[in-house]
Amino acid sequence: QVQLVESGGGVVQPGRSLRLSCLASGFIFSNAPMNWVRQAPGKGLEWVAVISYDGSNQYYADSVKGRFTISRDNSKSILYLQMNSLRAEDTAVYYCARKHFDDYFDYWGQGTLVTVSS
Amino acid sequence: DIQMTQSPSTLSASVGDRVTITCRASQSIHKWLAWYQQKSGKAPKLLIYEASTLEGGVPSRFSGSGSGTEFTLTISSLQPDDFATYYCQQYTRYWTFGQGTKVEIK
Repeated sequence: QVQLVESGGGVVQPGRSLRLSCLASGFIFSNAPMNWVRQAPGKGLEWVAVISYDGSNQYYADSVKGRFTISRDNSKSILYLQMNSLRAEDTAVYYCARKHFDDYFDYWGQGTLVTVSS
Repeated sequence: DIQMTQSPSTLSASVGDRVTITCRASQSIHKWLAWYQQKSGKAPKLLIYEASTLEGGVPSRFSGSGSGTEFTLTISSLQPDDFATYYCQQYTRYWTFGQGTKVEIK
């Protein structure tokens, strides 16, 4: 069955960096566009970034553009999110989610918590 | 950017009630709308896509309707497992979620 397992979250000071990972299994990872979605404590869902199946295209929400980078290693079935210049407002649970061919998100990981605080 | 607005924000209901949640888009999104259920501390789960198509394994008491800018999610007879927060999502141009509707026990 499809499994997405995020890791790499933790507490980080403002201005510092963190890299999240999402290990995929149960499907052909190299065929699937992938996303990161975040949820601030007690708040709703916010799409963060998407990457094409082969990594050649990436798109970002305005709130993270220029600071975050989405990438993937298809040989290891891992999705990444490099987060630089972190701000308090980046505090959230970060989910990876698989994009179905028809563009909605059909599978989600369990999430990893990132807390930006001094 | 396409904005999604859900109503109500919170809904109090009893087991067996018929529940309806509304989602409005700031511009036409045709039928490119999904609904997700999220329980506390868990990942969202896909319920419905293309406004009205039920994802496999989702109980038939869930249904979706609408097109253009106005959509609804209906639970025909609320069950104990349905108390959760529900989000709509447009996927016409990138992805935007509604702010969520919490369905709580009356």
